[in-house]
Amino acid sequence: DIVMTQSPDSLAVSLGERVTINCKSSQSILYSSNNKNYLAWYQQKPGQSPRLLISWASTRESGVPDRFSGSGSGTDFTLTISSLQAEDVTVYYCQQYFSTPITFGQGTRLEIK
Amino acid sequence: EVQLVASGGTLVQPGRSLRLSCTVSGFTFSDYAITWVRQAPGKGLEWVGFIRSRAYSGTTEYAASVKDRFTISRDDSKSIAYLQMNSLQTEDTAVYYCTRGPDSSPLRAWPYWGQGTLVTVSS
Repeated sequence: DIVMTQSPDSLAVSLGERVTINCKSSQSILYSSNNKNYLAWYQQKPGQSPRLLISWASTRESGVPDRFSGSGSGTDFTLTISSLQAEDVTVYYCQQYFSTPITFGQGTRLEIK
Repeated sequence: EVQLVASGGTLVQPGRSLRLSCTVSGFTFSDYAITWVRQAPGKGLEWVGFIRSRAYSGTTEYAASVKDRFTISRDDSKSIAYLQMNSLQTEDTAVYYCTRGPDSSPLRAWPYWGQGTLVTVSS
């Protein structure tokens, strides 16, 4: 199984601050035949279904604000929020869909400093 | 508009069975794989399994934690996917979501999610 490890588990940040969340996979999730990283980022607010923010490690979904960006390749990935807004303070998960079992990181909770 | 509605969650005793449904609209159900994901109270997301579309043989894959107890099926004529859960255990208590990817492959990120249905396993 591919283990996904996020860091940090939680992060206290100020509004307007830049936020970086890291995700590491236990093996490469870069598929050589198409040069795509099978990595997604989700945002989940309390009582709601997860929302897909980023797929293929760096492709922002339609309607997602451009302050959200994804980067990385192979085994190391990052979700960046360029300027934190109040509505961004919630939980974020990374996910690999390279192979089954599909696995998620443990989540990173953002809090207001 | 793509919609997925999960239903059937309830309180059930350990060892009993329960079937969840995922009713979809807004797209051609038979063309897509459907995935089930669960989330225990206060915990993270866990992949349960998926069923491929008929074009990809309609086969299923499961997480080790539910394999041999849970079965995913589909009725393309009704646009419904099912999650049959047998021998339920307290650790199966969770909100269960059904999801769909952007194309027919099950190995995709999921932009479409149902609202979730709560299964509580308790005596």
